[in-house]
Amino acid sequence: DTAVSQTPKYLVTQMGNDKSIKCEQNLGHDTMYWYKQDSKKFLKIMFSYNNKELIINETVPNRFSPKSPDKAHLNLHINSLELGDSAVYFCASSQDPRLLSSGNTIYFGEGSWLTVV
Amino acid sequence: ILNVEQSPQSLHVQEGDSTNFTCSFPSSNFYALHWYRWETAKSPEALFVMTLNGDEKKKGRISATLNTKEGYSYLYIKGSQPEDSATYLCARRGFQKLVFGTGTRLLVSP
Repeated sequence: DTAVSQTPKYLVTQMGNDKSIKCEQNLGHDTMYWYKQDSKKFLKIMFSYNNKELIINETVPNRFSPKSPDKAHLNLHINSLELGDSAVYFCASSQDPRLLSSGNTIYFGEGSWLTVV
Repeated sequence: ILNVEQSPQSLHVQEGDSTNFTCSFPSSNFYALHWYRWETAKSPEALFVMTLNGDEKKKGRISATLNTKEGYSYLYIKGSQPEDSATYLCARRGFQKLVFGTGTRLLVSP
């Protein structure tokens, strides 16, 4: 069983389209994240939710909107896609993020490769 | 700003070689350092979580050390094998998130 699963794995779409990436975790974690691997290969956080509430919202265009219907799911919706949105998007989950110092870590999905043409 | 830097950017070694790479980070307000191993098209896999100055962790042929006072961690691989080929990421704990370095890409040739 995949602990953190995200779909689709690959997505090619045209500029201007709206698309969603879905994420589900079966680890019983309270916190979920979206990270983006940028052009310099950094993994940068975009959003995190704890028990369906937004706790981190980094400087991300408002065309990106996360939705958490329950604590096991965190979907990423992107409106009016632009060429610069092409990247790999990673979903992840963890226990309470304040415990990331106590031996707990973040578990990642396999990534979703988005290409905007 | 929690800039995390890793060096070298990439490394190519022969099977059987031992190797190491570096993760540097600001030493103030330190909470934890995480190491991940990431093969392309797979999930980044957690290797170690290190919290105390002088920590040393080991998992098979891979080990890591931590110096929080000077702000660095080393990852060592003893007797590299082709299956060790991957990108090795370190991340420092920030406010309720992990801040990642760009990784060291390791290629081990048979």
